[in-house]
Amino acid sequence: GAGVSQSPSNKVTEKGKDVELRCDPISGHTALYWYRQSLGQGLEFLIYFQGNSAPDKSGLPSDRFSAERTGGSVSTLTIQRTQQEDSAVYLCASSRGQADYTFGSGTRLTVV
Amino acid sequence: AQSVTQPDIHITVSEGASLELRCNYSYGATPYLFWYVQSPGQGLQLLLKYFSGDTLVQGIKGFEAEFKRSQSSFNLRKPSVHWSDAAEYFCAVEDFGNEKLTFGTGTRLTIIP
Repeated sequence: GAGVSQSPSNKVTEKGKDVELRCDPISGHTALYWYRQSLGQGLEFLIYFQGNSAPDKSGLPSDRFSAERTGGSVSTLTIQRTQQEDSAVYLCASSRGQADYTFGSGTRLTVV
Repeated sequence: AQSVTQPDIHITVSEGASLELRCNYSYGATPYLFWYVQSPGQGLQLLLKYFSGDTLVQGIKGFEAEFKRSQSSFNLRKPSVHWSDAAEYFCAVEDFGNEKLTFGTGTRLTIIP
C-alpha cells in the first residue's frame, strides 16, 4: 500500500484481556518496528524485525508482550493479560533501510 | 548511556515569530539525526534528517536544522511560524550500525495569535 497501515485505530479492552494489534508495512520494506507512546514517556522502542526475524526485542517491557511477523510483511503485537499501564499509543514503522522510516498512525489502546 | 535530550517540554510562540527547538544527543560518534512532527491523533511525519555533509539541513514546511558536532546538538528552526505548526516535535537519532530510532521526549509547540 501507499503507507503503513495499523489496525484497529482505537481499542478499548478490559483489564486482564488479551489484545492483538496489527501493522501492515509498505510493500518491499524489509524492516519493521514497534514503538509505544505513553503520556509523559515519549516514544519507547519495543521490537525490530528484519524480515521475519527479530534481532532486537530489547524494548518489550515484560513477557506479556510478544510480536511476530509473517511472510516478511504483516506484523502482530500481542499483549496478554492487559494492565492499565499498557494504555498507550502503539506505533508501527517500516523501512527499506538507509534510515528511511515511515510511521503508521498508531493504535490507541485503552485498558479499563 | 546513549540518549537524546529535548530540554523544552512546552514552548509557546506568537504566530509570525521565529522558532528554535533544541535537541542534544549523547553518542560516541555522529549518528543519523532526525526531526519528526506529530499532530494530534496522527502518526509521525518526517521534517528532515541529517546523515553527513553540509551541517545545515533543509526540510519540509519551511523548517531547517543545524548539526553542531562540538555541541552535540541538532536544533530545529523556522523563521516565521504559522498556526498550523502547532504540534509535538520529536528529535531522534539512529546510532550507526544500530538500526532503530531513539527519540527524545518531545517538545509541544503552541502558537498564539
